[in-house]
Amino acid sequence: DAGVTQSPTHLIKTRGQHVTLRCSPISGHKSVSWYQQVLGQGPQFIFQYYEKEERGRGNFPDRFSARQFPNYSSELNVNALLLGDSALYLCASRFGPADTQYFGPGTRLTVL
Amino acid sequence: DAKTTQPPSMDCAEGRAANLPCNHSTISGNEYVYWYRQIHSQGPQYIIHGLKNNETNEMASLIITEDRKSSTLILPHATLRDTAVYYCIVRAVTGANNLFFGTGTRLTVIP
Repeated sequence: DAGVTQSPTHLIKTRGQHVTLRCSPISGHKSVSWYQQVLGQGPQFIFQYYEKEERGRGNFPDRFSARQFPNYSSELNVNALLLGDSALYLCASRFGPADTQYFGPGTRLTVL
Repeated sequence: DAKTTQPPSMDCAEGRAANLPCNHSTISGNEYVYWYRQIHSQGPQYIIHGLKNNETNEMASLIITEDRKSSTLILPHATLRDTAVYYCIVRAVTGANNLFFGTGTRLTVIP
């Protein structure tokens, strides 16, 4: 069975630009969460979506937004990129909001 | 904030058991103990989780003390591919609770 997939694998942007990251959950999973992992730290929770509704939000600025589509895939959008947004962005999916999460390989974003 | 304490690093000889400790002294009765690992630059990989009883699967065993204030993840026969950062996380049983990662334990398996 296919696991969580994310695209693109790598991305390079400049300060002030906008970026969209994509995630496809494991088949049958209805909940998606996004995490940011900067170098040397553990992943930090950004958003959770379940059945297309936001179910949780971490301590991130309004420049970060996300949505979930009817097929349960999800997009993470970041506006007005800063150098500090350079990180590995991880998507995790689960069947229901309280179930075990399974992570994708991540998207490596570099902001120059 | 992370509610677990782990040693920053450990070494283990290849073929030997790797025992990774975790303290979670403030754990409540409705919180699981979860373990994930992350091999360099990849997404975290789920290993195992438990509530009260010891658990075993094809990857590892999880031993939880009777008072639930600490646990140990056991990799029975460590291989070089087990070199990774191991995260111990407590998470509520119910509700849309997401994972709060600390800095984990960097396990190095030595040939």
